[in-house]
Amino acid sequence: AQRVTQPEKLLSVFKGAPVELKCNYSYSGSPELFWYVQYSRQRLQLLLRHISRESIKGFTADLNKGETSFHLKKPFAQEEDSAMYYCALKGLSNTGKLIFGQGTTLQVKP
Amino acid sequence: GAVVSQHPSWVICKSGTSVKIECRSLDFQATTMFWYRQFPKQSLMLMATSNEGSKATYEQGVEKDKFLINHASLTLSTLTVTSAHPEDSSFYICSAAADPGQGLKNIQYFGAGTRLSVL
Repeated sequence: AQRVTQPEKLLSVFKGAPVELKCNYSYSGSPELFWYVQYSRQRLQLLLRHISRESIKGFTADLNKGETSFHLKKPFAQEEDSAMYYCALKGLSNTGKLIFGQGTTLQVKP
Repeated sequence: GAVVSQHPSWVICKSGTSVKIECRSLDFQATTMFWYRQFPKQSLMLMATSNEGSKATYEQGVEKDKFLINHASLTLSTLTVTSAHPEDSSFYICSAAADPGQGLKNIQYFGAGTRLSVL
């Protein structure tokens, strides 16, 4: 079964502290993984995806197929990073549909 | 670019009435759009995949006759909640996947969502 698990509902850190939002997936194959972010009162938007291997707003995520994980990391959190973060998986079928994790609220305190 | 407009943003209706929600890709074409439902403080649950020119593909457990989807053009998909009841109250979100050849990423672009309250 296809499944995305984000074990933490809430992650609270102080400004300047490192951040790691965990994401594990279950998929029989090679999926495409994404991180989407939703800032307060804004729509969901793409943060990054594993095939791009890019760093956006200081965030990075590496796909670990052995551990079936795609954790999101940032070395120094900023207050403006406070938001809801969703990990999502897209299978290789042509439907293009996404399976979302439960989401993690990141709270960066001053 | 790649803006998805969802209308209305908030609707209140009486039990038993039908409500239509529109999802438009403003500056790109999208053969495929998606409809999600989000409960408070919970994740997005995919309801159906909307395909231009063909029938929508519904996820298991989603009532086709309850949630009617029409994808009449490459820029518009509509979700109609028929005979709405209080348990249908939720936040409905649409997304659009840009067709190839438009210089956009192969990802889903999301609308701002519609909050439906059924009295």
